[in-house]
Amino acid sequence: NAGVMQNPRHLVRRRGQEARLRCSPMKGHSHVYWYRQLPEEGLKFMVYLQKENIIDESGMPKERFSAEFPKEGPSILRIQQVVRGDSAAYFCASSPTRLSNGNTEAFFGQGTRLTVV
Amino acid sequence: DAKTTQPPSMDCAEGRAANLPCNHSTISGNEYVYWYRQIHSQGPQYIIHGLKNNETNEMASLIITEDRKSSTLILPHATLRDTAVYYCIVGMNTGFQKLVFGTGTRLLVSP
Repeated sequence: NAGVMQNPRHLVRRRGQEARLRCSPMKGHSHVYWYRQLPEEGLKFMVYLQKENIIDESGMPKERFSAEFPKEGPSILRIQQVVRGDSAAYFCASSPTRLSNGNTEAFFGQGTRLTVV
Repeated sequence: DAKTTQPPSMDCAEGRAANLPCNHSTISGNEYVYWYRQIHSQGPQYIIHGLKNNETNEMASLIITEDRKSSTLILPHATLRDTAVYYCIVGMNTGFQKLVFGTGTRLLVSP
């Protein structure tokens, strides 16, 4: 069973371009979480999705950022009109059930490192 | 969800036990204590979790005090590869849906 797969591992974009980050959860996992980690800072929650639904997007910036988790295919985190401040590592995690039942864990991918030049 | 307090950094000699403390004095009800770690530049990795009883797995042991207001993660024989930032997270009560990471403890294991 492959782990959480994120691609690309490294992404370079010029200011104003769009960045698309992909996350394929572990097999059988229908819950996906996106986190952002700025250089030398901690992990910040962005959004929680469960197949086709956004459950919690309290950590998403109000503009330019969007996320989806379609019925088929990977979850996508889209950043439009990127700026230098968007440069960070973006991590995706998945879980088989809601974390609130206390008997499961989240599995993280290796992240996508976005550099905006 | 309850807040946690961890020392910002700790050192440990290779082969010795690493004991990482976490205070969660406002923990309530059925909130679990979870530990994750992040080795430099990698995605966070689950270590262990517990509710009331002490827990042990192949990676570590988790000791939770009787009043549940604090816990200790124990790496019995630390190796250089255990150098990482360790996060103590409390939650999982009804409605808890996501992991919220604090600043963690940066553990440095030295030869």
